[in-house]
Amino acid sequence: RKEVEQDPGPFNVPEGATVAFNCTYSNSASQSFFWYRQDCRKEPKLLMSVYSSGNEDGRFTAQLNRASQYISLLIRDSKLSDSATYLCVVNGWGRSGNTPLVFGKGTRLSVIA
Amino acid sequence: DTAVSQTPKYLVTQMGNDKSIKCEQNLGHDTMYWYKQDSKKFLKIMFSYNNKELIINETVPNRFSPKSPDKAHLNLHINSLELGDSAVYFCASSHVRAAGLANEQFFGPGTRLTVL
Repeated sequence: RKEVEQDPGPFNVPEGATVAFNCTYSNSASQSFFWYRQDCRKEPKLLMSVYSSGNEDGRFTAQLNRASQYISLLIRDSKLSDSATYLCVVNGWGRSGNTPLVFGKGTRLSVIA
Repeated sequence: DTAVSQTPKYLVTQMGNDKSIKCEQNLGHDTMYWYKQDSKKFLKIMFSYNNKELIINETVPNRFSPKSPDKAHLNLHINSLELGDSAVYFCASSHVRAAGLANEQFFGPGTRLTVL
């Protein structure tokens, strides 16, 4: 089983649509969870951290289910500018402060006018 | 005010050559990383340095040698370049957290390496 698995995509949605991405992770010891966004030919940038109680940032909502080792990202009212690849990221395990981040392969989203 | 910068942005070279990529961060972070993103867009950790000390060294050929002259710099030297080394290499940095936890990592713009 891959360490972090995501929906394969691509997701092509019209503007204004709601879209959900799912992700599962294999390391039950992981304690930090993130969604990163990567635009074409650019570096990954943090979209939001994911907390156990779930968290929301504007049109974006992230959920974590530790029992199922499952993370989700919901985007409401999609904008053209949301078109990007969304990377599910969890931490591995290592010495203090140096737990490597493990990235999923990403799910590509295209929002169409 | 670029937070994490890398040079060069593009690097085209012949097989067998030796090349270096430089990375600098001005965020005051004490941990820096090198990642490789291959043609399938899979982003994988290569190395991690904390306060100039090598912490993580994934299964990377020893042709790749990172060097950290100080906390703000982490350079990557690659010997005897091979076709399979063609990829985008990202430098990143972060603050240390307690064991088992990870902070947001800030990435540089990437260096697109093409080996001919």
